[in-house]
Amino acid sequence: DAGVIQSPRHEVTEMGQEVTLRCKPISGHDYLFWYRQTMMRGLELLIYFNNNVPIDDSGMPEDRFSAKMPNASFSTLKIQPSEPRDSAVYFCASSLSRRDTQYFGPGTRLTVL
Amino acid sequence: QQQVKQSPQSLIVQKGGISIINCAYENTAFDYFPWYQQFPGKGPALLIAIRPDVSEKKEGRFTISFNKSAKQFSLHIMDSQPGDSATYFCAATPGGTDKLIFGTGTRLQVFP
Repeated sequence: DAGVIQSPRHEVTEMGQEVTLRCKPISGHDYLFWYRQTMMRGLELLIYFNNNVPIDDSGMPEDRFSAKMPNASFSTLKIQPSEPRDSAVYFCASSLSRRDTQYFGPGTRLTVL
Repeated sequence: QQQVKQSPQSLIVQKGGISIINCAYENTAFDYFPWYQQFPGKGPALLIAIRPDVSEKKEGRFTISFNKSAKQFSLHIMDSQPGDSATYFCAATPGGTDKLIFGTGTRLQVFP
């Protein structure tokens, strides 16, 4: 398997623009997680899905952030409008079942100018 | 109560030495404790994990020691190698959830 796939790998945008990050989990995995990594706050869980259903979005920082999982092989994290403080590396991870190993993608480095 | 405190922030070890990273938690409902390894430009990857019914788990040169009463757990890397140079994160899962709460990370540098 190719592992978790994320796109784009790098994104540079201007404040106020809409940003969409994409994730393809490992085939057959039932759980999908979105994380944000910054120097100041470390690795933070934003939201996770089970069988395409959002289970816990308590980590989503504010209404500017939204995530969807329209099917088992695709998820998006959208920021609208983006702000400089959203600059971070965003990781997607998937796991086969409950409490199983989470496999992380390579991340998307987002820079908001 | 949902925090995991990790120390040290950075660690420099000579090749062949022992690297020790410590984590502490307050929430007694945590019931799964993995360690992740992250190389620059990569996503974290699971290294080793332990559940609270076990006091120690060893996989090769990597050992987790778990002290339930003290609410502490640690990672020991024996015979540290330059290839072990990476950032290490401890994590914990609150019971009844599938979330991972990560520590702040330890940057390990192993010099030859």
